[in-house]
Amino acid sequence: GQQLNQSPQSMFIQEGEDVSMNCTSSSIFNTWLWYKQDPGEGPVLLIALYKAGELTSNGRLTAQFGITRKDSFLNISASIPSDVGIYFCAGQLWGYGQNFVFGPGTRLSVLP
Amino acid sequence: DVKVTQSSRYLVKRTGEKVFLECVQDMDHENMFWYRQDPGLGLRLIYFSYDVKMKEKGDIPEGYSVSREKKERFSLILESASTNQTSMYLCASSNGQFNQPQHFGDGTRLSIL
Repeated sequence: GQQLNQSPQSMFIQEGEDVSMNCTSSSIFNTWLWYKQDPGEGPVLLIALYKAGELTSNGRLTAQFGITRKDSFLNISASIPSDVGIYFCAGQLWGYGQNFVFGPGTRLSVLP
Repeated sequence: DVKVTQSSRYLVKRTGEKVFLECVQDMDHENMFWYRQDPGLGLRLIYFSYDVKMKEKGDIPEGYSVSREKKERFSLILESASTNQTSMYLCASSNGQFNQPQHFGDGTRLSIL
C-alpha cells in the first residue's frame, strides 16, 4: 500500500527549543493532517491542510503543505513539557476515496 | 466537539474467544473506521464503512469482521481471538464529504492470553 515516511523517528529536546519534523512520500496528496497522541490516548487532530503551499498555525504549532504535494512539515515553537507525545501525519491521496494514509509517527521527548 | 466513544479502555480475553469492540460517535458522521496500532508499525486500517450496512476491507482485515447496523455505531469483531491480535485498537469517524479529517476515540488496549 501507499506509505508515508516521517522524520525524525524520535527526538529529545530541551524545554524552550523549537522543533521541526516532516512527512514525505513518493505520491501526491490532496490533504495533509497532523495529529498528536498522548500516552494511552487516541490521536487528536492538530492541523489540517488542503492546498499546496498552505501555511497554517494553531498556537505554537505551524504546519505547511509542501509545494510538490508530496510532503508536509510541522514546527513547534518554544516547546513545553506537555508537547511530549507522538506526532502523526496523515495524507489523503487522489482517487483513494475518503481514507487517509498514516505515517509511523515522530516521538517527541522534552527535557526540563 | 466530535465525540467518539470506545466501550472499553482495557480488555483481557483468552485465545479462541469471540471478542466485540464497540464504537459510538455522536456527530452523525457517515464514515467510520477501525485501526490497530502496534509499535513501529503505525496505524493500520482493518475495516471501514461509508454508510449503514456498508463495510469495506482495509489493509489487514484477516481475522476480523465488522458490523454497522446503525449510523452511530461501528463494531469490530474478532471471530476467534489469537495472541497476535493483542494490540491497541482505535476507532475513528469522519464527515462523508471529501477531505474531512478523521476523529479518533481513546482506544481499546486489548490483550489476548
